[in-house]
Amino acid sequence: DGGITQSPKYLFRKEGQNVTLSCEQNLNHDAMYWYRQDPGQGLRLIYYSQIVNDFQKGDIAEGYSVSREKKESFPLTVTSAQKNPTAFYLCASTPRAGGLQPQHFGDGTRLSIL
Amino acid sequence: AQRVTQPEKLLSVFKGAPVELKCNYSYSGSPELFWYVQYSRQRLQLLLRHISRESIKGFTADLNKGETSFHLKKPFAQEEDSAMYYCALINYGQNFVFGPGTRLSVLP
Repeated sequence: DGGITQSPKYLFRKEGQNVTLSCEQNLNHDAMYWYRQDPGQGLRLIYYSQIVNDFQKGDIAEGYSVSREKKESFPLTVTSAQKNPTAFYLCASTPRAGGLQPQHFGDGTRLSIL
Repeated sequence: AQRVTQPEKLLSVFKGAPVELKCNYSYSGSPELFWYVQYSRQRLQLLLRHISRESIKGFTADLNKGETSFHLKKPFAQEEDSAMYYCALINYGQNFVFGPGTRLSVLP
């Protein structure tokens, strides 16, 4: 059953702590994306990766970091520098970057501050 | 700059009534437009795209290049249509741009 798996579903962060959100896909897609979803603001792009070992900043990259060591995996780290991390985070993928294909989404991770 | 606007944060209609979710965009090229839907406790999923010209779950959307709009319509709303709807655009070599979303509530 192909798709995108995000874990955990819920995550709590203490002040000053870094946390990592997992995103795995078995769709053999080249491109992967991380979005932040806030009420009334839609989806805002944090980082994206067009291919393994490459990634680019999106519109709101400050306070976040990513890696793309494997095609299937695109973890997002929310660092202590992100002052307002409470949000719903969505991972997505497309077969390749730059085309017109629709994005496939995971179920999301809800991050809250303790 | 590319931008997608959805003027209504919340739209409430009665079951059986027509529904129209508005989407306007600003883009200098010829983007491809999409509607995504997020039902309660489900993942964001593609509803329809302009290039397919399909009707999905009774919904249709017409691209009006003159008005730069891609409104989503359904003649008779059902309670199961209640969800969050996002309009989005993309063009070659670019990333997706999503609108802020409209929450549709279909009342019994």
